Amino acid sequence: KAGVTQTPRYLIKTRGQQVTLSCSPISGHRSVSWYQQTPGQGLQFLFEYFSETQRNKGNFPGRFSGRQFSNSRSEMNVSTLELGDSALYLCASSLQGREETQYFGPGTRLLVL
Amino acid sequence: AQTVTQSQPEMSVQEAETVTLSCTYDTSESNYYLFWYKQPPSRQMILVIRQEAYKQQNATENRFSVNFQKAAKSFSLKISDSQLGDTAMYFCAFMKPWNFGNEKLTFGTGTRLTIIP
Repeated sequence: KAGVTQTPRYLIKTRGQQVTLSCSPISGHRSVSWYQQTPGQGLQFLFEYFSETQRNKGNFPGRFSGRQFSNSRSEMNVSTLELGDSALYLCASSLQGREETQYFGPGTRLLVL
Repeated sequence: AQTVTQSQPEMSVQEAETVTLSCTYDTSESNYYLFWYKQPPSRQMILVIRQEAYKQQNATENRFSVNFQKAAKSFSLKISDSQLGDTAMYFCAFMKPWNFGNEKLTFGTGTRLTIIP
C-alpha cells in the first residue's frame, strides 16, 4: 500500500498570504490528523477529521482551518500568514482514528518571509 | 492535560552497542496508548513501537523493545545492536482512549540519537 502523501513538499510564502496544504491518507484510512512541528513548540496537534467532519481541534487560532473530502483526502488552510507559521506540517492517517496507530506523511515545510 | 517528558535532549552511542531512551508521562487515566516514533533527517515520522497500557507484556519489534512501568509512568525504549540507520530524533507519544473523545497524539520534546561508526 502507498503511504501517506503530502503536497507540496516545500512552500515559500510572504506574510499576509494564505496557503493550502494537501494530504492523501493511506488507502482505506478514514481519519486524518494534522500536526505542526517547530523548533520552539515541538509537535502540536492542529485538528483531526473523520468522515468529512472535524472531530477534534487543537489550540490554534481560527486562521488555521481544514476540511476533508469524501475520498478522505484532507486539506489544511492557513490564512493571513505570520512569520511564526513557518514550520513543518505533518499529516497522519489511521483507519478509524480511535486508539489506532497514526501513520505519518513526509510533511510540508512552509517558510513564511 | 497529559504531558510527556523526555529528559535526554541528545545521546550518542557506538555502532552495535545498546542504548536506552527515557520517557515519562503524566496521566490520570488507567488505559491509554504509548508510542515511540523516529524522525530521521528526511523528517519522515516513522512508527517504531506501540504499547497498550492494559497489556503488562512489554512490546518488542526486532531490535527495539520497551520497558513499560505503569506505576512509575515510565516508558523507555531500548535499541539493541544499534545501526547507523538508527540515527534520528526519537519522540515518545501518548494517546488517550477514544471514549475520551480525543484521538490526538501528545508528543515529548524528543531525543536526538547519533550512532557513531
